[in-house]
Amino acid sequence: EAGVAQSPRYKIIEKRQSVAFWCNPISGHATLYWYQQILGQGPKLLIQFQNNGVVDDSQLPKDRFSAERLKGVDSTLKIQPAKLEDSAVYLCASSLATGTNEKLFFGSGTQLSVL
Amino acid sequence: DQQVKQNSPSLSVQEGRISILNCDYTNSMFDYFLWYKKYPAEGPTFLISISSIKDKNEDGRFTVFLNKSAKHLSLHIVPSQPGDSAVYFCSGGSNYKLTFGKGTLLTVNP
Repeated sequence: EAGVAQSPRYKIIEKRQSVAFWCNPISGHATLYWYQQILGQGPKLLIQFQNNGVVDDSQLPKDRFSAERLKGVDSTLKIQPAKLEDSAVYLCASSLATGTNEKLFFGSGTQLSVL
Repeated sequence: DQQVKQNSPSLSVQEGRISILNCDYTNSMFDYFLWYKKYPAEGPTFLISISSIKDKNEDGRFTVFLNKSAKHLSLHIVPSQPGDSAVYFCSGGSNYKLTFGKGTLLTVNP
């Protein structure tokens, strides 16, 4: 079974530039998540999709971050303009979200460095 | 407000001995708890879970204990192996959403 695919693996940009990350979840997984992991911290949820609808985006800095999930499959996360404090690993995850103890499957992440 | 706390940033144990990783939480709404393991440059991978109505779940060398009254859970690894060296994240779940602690770096020395 193919896992969660993310690209690019690494990205270096200057502050005030824009950047986009792409995620392809596990086939059949209805729920998709974007997490931000700053060095030394645990992953923090940015946005949760159920199919192509947003379930929770309460921690997404909406003045600069946006995300979409077209046709309920692939998703993109965009930052515009980037700030120094956005340097982090951006993790995409997916789950079936049908049972209890529902586990999330994570991709390898995109490491973003903002200079 | 940190809903999941892992107060030990690191732990070092000898191969063959027991590793005990601890986690405290404040959110009473968590329905389940999951432990994830993370190697450098990889995404977190699922290790073991426990429902909030259970007090113990075992899977091979890994056992998770939940003390709901104390809002505390622990992960036991017996025996520890060098390949277990990784960062371990505790998470609480509700509505198919996970909240993670900061992680504990486990080092198992040969």
